[in-house]
Amino acid sequence: AQSVTQPDIHITVSEGASLELRCNYSYGATPYLFWYVQSPGQGLQLLLKYFSGDTLVQGIKGFEAEFKRSQSSFNLRKPSVHWSDAAEYFCAVGRYSGGGADGLTFGKGTHLIIQP
Amino acid sequence: DVKVTQSSRYLVKRTGEKVFLECVQDMDHENMFWYRQDPGLGLRLIYFSYDVKMKEKGDIPEGYSVSREKKERFSLILESASTNQTSMYLCASRRESGGYTFGSGTRLTVV
Repeated sequence: AQSVTQPDIHITVSEGASLELRCNYSYGATPYLFWYVQSPGQGLQLLLKYFSGDTLVQGIKGFEAEFKRSQSSFNLRKPSVHWSDAAEYFCAVGRYSGGGADGLTFGKGTHLIIQP
Repeated sequence: DVKVTQSSRYLVKRTGEKVFLECVQDMDHENMFWYRQDPGLGLRLIYFSYDVKMKEKGDIPEGYSVSREKKERFSLILESASTNQTSMYLCASRRESGGYTFGSGTRLTVV
């Protein structure tokens, strides 16, 4: 069965500093990978996704992620964080069977705190 | 943009009540999903549906059922609510290109 691990429960970063959030997945086939962000009291917003092709994926809000098959990783990066980036971040892998798309398996999330 | 609407933002129900959580999407998507979100556990899949009147169990279906009588509406049912079902419930819809769109969530408290 597929699984997603986000090793860091909390990360604190100074405003203007660079950010990397880690994500490792376990999946038997070529994975479909996603990063979502959730601000307090809000639903999930898609930051970016990887299906195939270029392993460096650009997303919204200045985020990017790199798919590394050899490391089973899909880490999220941003060169300079803003106070508004403080939120919960979720990595997810798509689940598929003969019937089609079976939803997403999520990691447990990383809570990002921005220091002024 | 696809809109996924969950009818209630907050609900408070009593133990043993039958609870309906409603979700509507406006883009004719075939696939819809229900998740629950708990601190430290992330999101876990309860049920999903490929099409009208079709349903599949996710990872934690116990204590829940679903109904999909129309393509745009996917309902989650708690037959007899219990305190351990206090949680945030998120509905999602999937488009052909593969992206999932989530509703804003329903925070359910069972007392």
